[in-house]
Amino acid sequence: ETGVTQSPTHLIKTRGQQVTLRCSSQSGHNTVSWYQQALGQGPQFIFQYYREEENGRGNFPPRFSGLQFPNYSSELNVNALELDDSALYLCASSHLGGVEQYFGPGTRLTVT
Amino acid sequence: KQEVTQIPAALSVPEGENLVLNCSFTDSAIYNLQWFRQDPGKGLTSLLLIQSSQREQTSGRLNASLDKSSGRSTLYIAASQPGDSATYLCAVSVSGGSNYKLTFGKGTLLTVNP
Repeated sequence: ETGVTQSPTHLIKTRGQQVTLRCSSQSGHNTVSWYQQALGQGPQFIFQYYREEENGRGNFPPRFSGLQFPNYSSELNVNALELDDSALYLCASSHLGGVEQYFGPGTRLTVT
Repeated sequence: KQEVTQIPAALSVPEGENLVLNCSFTDSAIYNLQWFRQDPGKGLTSLLLIQSSQREQTSGRLNASLDKSSGRSTLYIAASQPGDSATYLCAVSVSGGSNYKLTFGKGTLLTVNP
């Protein structure tokens, strides 16, 4: 059974740029959730995708968007990057309505 | 709005000591509660999951309890080891139809000294 993978591991971008982060869900899981973890904070829910559609969203502006593909992998896109977007971005996969979410290793984004 | 608080924010203990980490949440209408471990700059490793109908879960030296009515959970670590040093995060999930988002606390940074 393959776990959740994320790419890239680290990324450095300049304010105003756009970034795409990728996540491959654990085998058999059809739901992907994205979280943002700023330094010293707990992860915060960004949104969840199921059947290629957004299925719930946290308190994040529209410049945070996502996609889910037929193989259940997912992308997180952030436009017009701000310094405060610097964080660890975590992806988690699960079955829809499943009891447990399984997390990937994260992508560290630094905005300068 | 669900809020999760973890106390203490940081804890330093000598090797071999038993310890308790605390987690509280404001809305008792939770679906389950999970404890995670996070090493510096890394992702989350699930330690224990307690469903809302359960009172506790055990795995090796770890024991987690849940009291929904009071909005509290504790993670007990027995005979701590230096390898237990990490940040421990508590998270609750709220049933919102098919959307089981997790709400996290800020974590407790545990240091076990040899």
